[in-house]
Parts: sequence; structure tokens; C-alpha cells
Amino acid sequence: GDSVTQMEGPVTLSEEAFLTINCTYTATGYPSLFWYVQYPGEGLQLLLKATKADDKGSNKGFEATYRKETTSFHLEKGSVQVSDSAVYFCALSDRSGYSTLTFGKGTMLLVSP
Amino acid sequence: NAGVTQTPKFQVLKTGQSMTLQCAQDMNHEYMSWYRQDPGMGLRLIHYSVGAGITDQGEVPNGYNVSRSTTEDFPLRLLSAAPSQTSVYFCASSSLAVSYNEQFFGPGTRLTVL
Repeated sequence: GDSVTQMEGPVTLSEEAFLTINCTYTATGYPSLFWYVQYPGEGLQLLLKATKADDKGSNKGFEATYRKETTSFHLEKGSVQVSDSAVYFCALSDRSGYSTLTFGKGTMLLVSP
Repeated sequence: NAGVTQTPKFQVLKTGQSMTLQCAQDMNHEYMSWYRQDPGMGLRLIHYSVGAGITDQGEVPNGYNVSRSTTEDFPLRLLSAAPSQTSVYFCASSSLAVSYNEQFFGPGTRLTVL
């Protein structure tokens, strides 16, 4: 079945540092890929998405590129802020299914001033 | 639009009690789902629905029932609560007309079973 593997956290960075959170996936066919963010005490929000190979999703300074050859969708940001502290989830949607998402286990990011 | 709403926000149950977690959306989405979130486990799909009168099981359906009588509402029932059901529960919805399947999440219900 489909699966998503992302790096374990917490990831601890100082403000303005470069961020990478690794995500790899296993799926049949050509899934859509997503990064969701969960701020403390809240539900998940879509951060960015990519629907086909070589697509780059971007939002709020975060980027991720759909790499079919390495089955990866790593999340990056050039300069993190304290307000980026949250849990980040990589997820995929198999287009043959009905919107069902398969999530990674989540990576907590802690940014200090 | 209120988006996806969930009630209650917090709940404490005793083992064996039953309860219903409410979920509603005002976006006319066909697809609705329930996930549970446990530390180190990510989100796991419990049940989902692709429209009124249609439901199906996800990855962890045991101990939970659902029904979908309207497009807007998708309640999750715990028939006989167990400590293993202590978790944070999220409801989500999406439009099947959109190809990339973005899901919109509610704020969650934190359930403790003693």
C-alpha cells in the first residue's frame, strides 16, 4: 500500500536558518503530494501541493519539488522565523482513490530567536 | 463560511460510555472523513464518505461507526469507549470536483477515555 516517510523530529533551528524536512513516498501510479502544517492547538492547514512530476509547490517562503525519480518531496525554506514553529506533515493522495490522504508521522519544527 | 466545525473541543469519558463527535461543513463538499492523531503515528483514517448515504472504512475503523444522512454532517460514534481511543480526532472535507484533493480540516476534538 501507499506510505509516506518523513524525518523524525524535533528539528531545532535558530531564526533565519535554512530548513529542510525530508519526505519520501511509496505509491502506485502518480499521486498528488502535499505538505500540511499544524500550529499548536489547531487543525491541519494545507501549506503547498504538487500534482505531477517536476512541479514545484510554494507558499509563505516554503518550497517543495515533486521528484518522481527519487520519490521525494522535501520541504525547504531559506530563512525560518519563530512563527514557523509547528508540526509539518507530508502526505499523498492516490488519484485512483476518493481524496484519501496517506500521511507521514509528522516533523516538529522549533525555531528559537 | 465557517468551513469545517467540530464539537465538542474536549471530552472525557469513562470506559464503556458512548458518545458522538459532531462534524459539519458548509462548503458543499462531497467527501468527508475522520482521522485520529496519536503521538508518533501521524494521522490515520478511520472512516470516510463520498456523499450522503455512502460511507466506507479507513485504516482503523474498529470501535467507530459513522453515517451520512446529509451533505453537511458526518458524525462519528463511539459505541463503547476504550482507553485505546484516547486521541485527537480531526474531521476533514474536500470537493471531488477538484483534481488535486485538497482537504480542509476542522480544529479537532481531544478525547480522553479513563
